Amino acid sequence: SYVLTQPPSLSVAPGNTARITCRGDNVGSRRVHWYQQKPGQAPVLVIYYDDDRPSGIPERFSGSNSGNTATLIVSRVEAGDEADYHCQVWDGASDHQVFGGGTKLTVL
Amino acid sequence: QVQLVESGGGVVQPGRSLRLSCAASGFTFSGYAMHWVRQAPGKGLEWVAVISYDGSGKYYADSVKGRFTISRDSSKKMLFLQMNSLKFEDTAVYYCTKAPRGVIAAAGMNEVWGKGTLVSVSS
Repeated sequence: SYVLTQPPSLSVAPGNTARITCRGDNVGSRRVHWYQQKPGQAPVLVIYYDDDRPSGIPERFSGSNSGNTATLIVSRVEAGDEADYHCQVWDGASDHQVFGGGTKLTVL
Repeated sequence: QVQLVESGGGVVQPGRSLRLSCAASGFTFSGYAMHWVRQAPGKGLEWVAVISYDGSGKYYADSVKGRFTISRDSSKKMLFLQMNSLKFEDTAVYYCTKAPRGVIAAAGMNEVWGKGTLVSVSS
């Protein structure tokens, strides 16, 4: 079955840029979606189809996807961005959703 | 606005059954595929099942296949998850999510999430 791998944690100083990676075999050929989950809350979609933003999501959030790595980019990081971030794809071969293990973003 | 509200969670013994419900509002429920996604305590997200807009297509994670059944009642705008032969490892918060399209092939994303309902399997 298809596997997505994320780093367990990432720490960034306020005002800097956070780049959260999601690695999978030829993931660049798939559409990647990203979810933000704050403690005790449900996940929220922040990026879909690699680099599209739902309405209400700040422009500071962007995405890229090429080769074996998809990346969520959070520019000018704020304290309120501290959360778990999960990547996800649809595996058409099995008709299953696949999630990465999640990355905890800490704002120093 | 789009709203999803799960219910039916609780504490249940291993081997027993539980039925989760999800009440949808704010959109044309009959036009969209729906998913269940779960999260064990302190763990990541795990997809559970998907159902097409008309109920004709259903797919399950290998970990629940043969034990869980997803269904919907579009006249009542309700999504269900019947969980049988529950195991300790089924303990999780279960989320109901809305897909962006009606057919499963184009529904591989969780556009909107409910707040979740907690299922604890314990003896």
